[in-house]
Amino acid sequence: DGGITQSPKYLFRKEGQNVTLSCEQNLNHDAMYWYRQDPGQGLRLIYYSQIVNDFQKGDIAEGYSVSREKKESFPLTVTSAQKNPTAFYLCASSEELAGGGDEQFFGPGTRLTVL
Amino acid sequence: RKEVEQDPGPFNVPEGATVAFNCTYSNSASQSFFWYRQDCRKEPKLLMSVYSSGNEDGRFTAQLNRASQYISLLIRDSKLSDSATYLCVVTDSGAGSYQLTFGKGTKLSVIP
Repeated sequence: DGGITQSPKYLFRKEGQNVTLSCEQNLNHDAMYWYRQDPGQGLRLIYYSQIVNDFQKGDIAEGYSVSREKKESFPLTVTSAQKNPTAFYLCASSEELAGGGDEQFFGPGTRLTVL
Repeated sequence: RKEVEQDPGPFNVPEGATVAFNCTYSNSASQSFFWYRQDCRKEPKLLMSVYSSGNEDGRFTAQLNRASQYISLLIRDSKLSDSATYLCVVTDSGAGSYQLTFGKGTKLSVIP
């Protein structure tokens, strides 16, 4: 079954700790994305990657970092510099960068709670 | 800052009703438009892409009005299973830049 997996589903961390969220896809998609969703808010783009070894900041990249060493993997690190890290984090992928009408497929998300 | 605005609702409608959602966007050069559906505490899933000529998929019809910068989603004969939040998505790209903006969503509750 092709798809996107994110792990873990729920994650708890102490304030001041860095944490890395996993995102893996076996859809052979070039583009991958990380979003954050807060209650009552729309999704906001953190980082995106058009191709392996390349990534760009989205609207709210401060306090986050990513890597794209493999096509199928796009991990997100939430650093201690992120002021309000508690949120629902969603990873997505598309065949190409979704400006030309390509559908984005989303993973099930990770709910991060910083205590 | 490019904006995408949606009526947050909630829209509470009886089964069988027709309901319409609108979404406005601020960038006249926006290129691609989508409606996604998000169930409670789940990931968004694509409902429909929105084309200039309008498009229909069963009970769902999407329209794009570039002159007025809005897109719409019409749901006919509402089912209980249509209860969800509907997200409007607009993308802009070109000249090395890329931006994708989600609306905050419109919540629909279909009541028996």
